[in-house]
Parts: sequence; structure tokens; C-alpha cells
Amino acid sequence: RKEVEQDPGPFNVPEGATVAFNCTYSNSASQSFFWYRQDCRKEPKLLMSVYSSGNEDGRFTAQLNRASQYISLLIRDSKLSDSATYLCVVNMNQRRGYQKVTFGTGTKLQVIP
Amino acid sequence: NAGVTQTPKFQVLKTGQSMTLQCAQDMNHEYMSWYRQDPGMGLRLIHYSVGAGITDQGEVPNGYNVSRSTTEDFPLRLLSAAPSQTSVYFCASSFGRYQETQYFGPGTRLLVL
Repeated sequence: RKEVEQDPGPFNVPEGATVAFNCTYSNSASQSFFWYRQDCRKEPKLLMSVYSSGNEDGRFTAQLNRASQYISLLIRDSKLSDSATYLCVVNMNQRRGYQKVTFGTGTKLQVIP
Repeated sequence: NAGVTQTPKFQVLKTGQSMTLQCAQDMNHEYMSWYRQDPGMGLRLIHYSVGAGITDQGEVPNGYNVSRSTTEDFPLRLLSAAPSQTSVYFCASSFGRYQETQYFGPGTRLLVL
């Protein structure tokens, strides 16, 4: 089983729609969680961190479910500019005092006019 | 601030050739890392550094060397290029070893013939 798994998509949604992605992780000791956004042929950029209580940033809501070991990203009122690949990232503390960072393979979103 | 810069943007090598991918950051970040990104594989950690003079192996270190003589620079050396090293390479940095936010360079696209 992969450490971090995502549905690769693509998710094709019309403008204005609400879309949700899930990401599952295998190690229950994982400590911090993030969503990154990657545009085609560009570098990944941090979209938002994911906190245990859930957090919102404008049209984006991230949630963490530790019991079921998944995180989610909800995008409301989708815009054409939201078209990108969304990467789930899971960090885990290591004994040598750094965090092991594991990226999912990404979920591709295409917002259609 | 330029952020994280990488050179070259594109490179074609023949099997057996060696080269160095350059990475520099001007944010005084402690932590720097190199990833490769291949279709369907996600970002995989090659090597990382938690500070000047300290480097360690990541998930896929074979065929690559790194050094960190200054805080700013973290070059990646391909010792004897192989077609399996055809990939997109990203350098990233973060403020501390608990790398809450990683900042990525624009990437180097490498083709090994």
C-alpha cells in the first residue's frame, strides 16, 4: 500500500461547481498535512495546511480525519483558474529530528466553462 | 527575493555523461532538498540537507551526489547519467527542519538519451 494515495482523476467540473478530493495516508504516526497546488509544467506551491479542527481559506476548506486516516479538500464555486493538479502532502517526525515528507501523486482538476 | 532558483531549465545528456544541477535560495532557509517527479510516481526525495555541511539520503539517492558548503547553495550531481534519470528535478527549501512550508524552484527538465 502506498504511504499516501490520491485518486489521479481527472475531475472535470463546470464553473461554479463544488468539488472534493480525498487523500488517504497509511501511517497513523503522521503529524502534519498539507495541500499543494501544481500547475502544468510548474513547481508545486503550498495551497493550505490542514489542521485537526478543519480550516477554511476563502473557497477552499481542508479537513483531517485521523481515525480514518484521510484528509480532504473542498473547493466551492470552482473557477477556471482552479484547474491544476492538487498534491496531498503528509509529514512525519523522524528520530533524527527532521520530518519525512511524502507527496501523493496528485489529483487533476479541470474546470470547464 | 528571488526565492529558489534552479539552472539549467532544460538539459539533454547522453548516457554516461555527468552534470550538476544548480539550486540556490536567498531566504536563509536551513532545510533544502532535491526531488524528482515522474508520471504516476509523485515527487520522490533524492537527497536533503538540514544545514551547511550536513546532507543525507532520501528515498531514491542512487546515482546522485550532493554537497552543502553554504546555506544558499545545494547542487545535485549526476555521476554517470542513465535513461532512468530522465525526469523533472525540483529543488525545495524551508525555514526549518519541521518544514511547514516548502518553497520550490521552477524545476529542471532532464532528458538522458
